[in-house]
Amino acid sequence: NAGVMQNPRHLVRRRGQEARLRCSPVKGHSHVYWYRQLPEEGLKFMVYLQKENIIDESGMPKERFSAEFPKEGPSILRIQQVVRGDSAAYFCASSPIRDGETQYFGPGTRLLVL
Amino acid sequence: QQQVKQSPQSLIVQKGGISIINCAYENTAFDYFPWYQQFPGKGPALLIAIRPDVSEKKEGRFTISFNKSAKQFSLHIMDSQPGDSATYFCAATYSGTYKYIFGTGTRLKVLA
Repeated sequence: NAGVMQNPRHLVRRRGQEARLRCSPVKGHSHVYWYRQLPEEGLKFMVYLQKENIIDESGMPKERFSAEFPKEGPSILRIQQVVRGDSAAYFCASSPIRDGETQYFGPGTRLLVL
Repeated sequence: QQQVKQSPQSLIVQKGGISIINCAYENTAFDYFPWYQQFPGKGPALLIAIRPDVSEKKEGRFTISFNKSAKQFSLHIMDSQPGDSATYFCAATYSGTYKYIFGTGTRLKVLA
C-alpha cells in the first residue's frame, strides 16, 4: 500500500533553469496539496488540486510557478526561471476527500538553486 | 489571525523525561488540530490529532492537551526516548477548508 511518492528527492538547478517536481498521491486519493518549507520554517500551503482542476492556488507565487494534476499521471509543480529564493523543500500531500482530516505527506523534493 | 504560534523552537530532554511543546492560535473557527513528526530528510507524518470537543487525547506516550478558552494546545511526550528526536509541527484547520496552517516547528533532542 504505497504512500505519497515524490520525485526527484533532490534537485539541483542553476538560476534561470526550470524545475519540475512530481507527486503521485496515495492510490485512490483524488485531492493533492503542495506545501513549501523554507529552512527553519514551517510548511506553507501553495496549491490544492483535484484531477484536472486547480481549486485553490492562493499560496502560490503569481509568476513562474504553476501546478497541474492531469487525469492520468502524477501531479506536477513547475517552477520556471528558478531563483535562489526558490531553494526549499517542496512537499506534496494527498487526501481521499476534500475536507479530509488527514493529509498524508510525501518525503518531499529538496530543491537547491545555485 | 491565521497564524499558529509554536514554542519552544528547540528542546533538549533527558531520556525518560517529559517533552512539552505548546501552540497557540487566534482563529476560533479552527476545529481540527493535528501534530506532525518529521525526521531529517523525511516528510511530516501524522502523530496525533484532536478536535475542540475534548480537552485531552492520549495515544501511547503521546498526549494532546487542549484549552479552548485560552486557544492553546500542547503535545506531551511521556518517557521520551532518543528515537523521538525529530522536529514536531502543530497545525490547525477547520471544516470546509483544506489548508493546514502550520506552526514553525520544534526541534526535539532526547539525550540517551
